[in-house]
Amino acid sequence: TQLLEQSPQFLSIQEGENLTVYCNSSSVFSSLQWYRQEPGEGPVLLVTVVTGGEVKKLKRLTFQFGDARKDSSLHITAAQPGDTGLYLCAGGSGDSGGGADGLTFGKGTHLIIQP
Amino acid sequence: GAGVSQSPSNKVTEKGKDVELRCDPISGHTALYWYRQSLGQGLEFLIYFQGNSAPDKSGLPSDRFSAERTGGSVSTLTIQRTQQEDSAVYLCASSLDGRWNTEAFFGQGTRLTVV
Repeated sequence: TQLLEQSPQFLSIQEGENLTVYCNSSSVFSSLQWYRQEPGEGPVLLVTVVTGGEVKKLKRLTFQFGDARKDSSLHITAAQPGDTGLYLCAGGSGDSGGGADGLTFGKGTHLIIQP
Repeated sequence: GAGVSQSPSNKVTEKGKDVELRCDPISGHTALYWYRQSLGQGLEFLIYFQGNSAPDKSGLPSDRFSAERTGGSVSTLTIQRTQQEDSAVYLCASSLDGRWNTEAFFGQGTRLTVV
């Protein structure tokens, strides 16, 4: 069974601070996706990383996929209250990783940015 | 429709009753997924459809759970003889072709409460 562990589980910081959340596994994944979920809504895809060592930037968000494709991190610069939400990482594996095998999700990081 | 639509949005049922949850995927999406999200937990993969067929049903928690998809479109998840541990948010997602690097779009979910 593939497991993805996310840390920290909860994080509350002040507006303007920087933060990093982590997603770790002992398994290798073909791809790693990060989602953001707000209360009462389904998760929304932020980014997909597929190459070991890959770094992707989305405005103030920086995503990194580990060289061995077992871990990933999400760094937010100058956090804003609008960044508040549940951040989920999800790993895909196999030739049709997001399909027949389904995505393996971590339990998420609950992020609160206080004004 | 413009997005994945799930109904009902909320369902309260008595223990032992059967419930049926519905998912309308994005038009043209061949892949459809069901996930379960319990309070404070990540997403648990239940089942995946490519067209009308589900290659692997082993993710379903018990034989009280069944799912079908007809016409390559609408899917229903049925839970028979509901138990309190079935209480969760049931999320449906669809993607264009189910490949691992294709984005999955989630519905808002059905919040099921078994009393």
